[in-house]
Amino acid sequence: QKEVEQDPGPLSVPEGAIVSLNCTYSNSAFQYFMWYRQYSRKGPELLMYTYSSGNKEDGRFTAQVDKSSKYISLFIRDSQPSDSATYLCAMSAIDFNKFYFGSGTKLNVKP
Amino acid sequence: DVKVTQSSRYLVKRTGEKVFLECVQDMDHENMFWYRQDPGLGLRLIYFSYDVKMKEKGDIPEGYSVSREKKERFSLILESASTNQTSMYLCASSLERGGETQYFGPGTRLLVL
Repeated sequence: QKEVEQDPGPLSVPEGAIVSLNCTYSNSAFQYFMWYRQYSRKGPELLMYTYSSGNKEDGRFTAQVDKSSKYISLFIRDSQPSDSATYLCAMSAIDFNKFYFGSGTKLNVKP
Repeated sequence: DVKVTQSSRYLVKRTGEKVFLECVQDMDHENMFWYRQDPGLGLRLIYFSYDVKMKEKGDIPEGYSVSREKKERFSLILESASTNQTSMYLCASSLERGGETQYFGPGTRLLVL
């Protein structure tokens, strides 16, 4: 079983839709949860970062962590064609040597 | 803003050549990482370094080596390039070894013929 599971998609939505992207994980020790956005042929860029459980909002983006269910989500409101990218979740803990990544969900927002 | 730069965006090399990929970060981060990214396989950790002259193997170190002579610079070396090393190579840095966040460079697309 992988440490982090993420549906690869692709996910295709119309412009203006609310998008929900999700990851599940198996290691209850994870404390830090990140979402990255990666455009085609570019490096991942950090989108959102949360520590432990709860919600965090930044403009049209909301990150949610449910540690009891080992489940994290990224919501995108009023999605735009410029949001079309692959979204990677990542997680770690302070004592860990490395970060654990999901395989990425490809999102296509149609005009 | 954290900036991670990589020496080349695209590289074409021949089988058997020695290849150097360089990465520089400007945020005084202790930790630096090299990944490769392949369709369907996601990000795979090759090597990481948590201090100057220190290195640790990641999940797929075979065929690679690394060098960290200065804190801001982390090099990935392919001793004898092979076609199965054709990939997107991503460098990242972080302040904490496993905490907070990693920041990525733009990536180097390497084609080995």
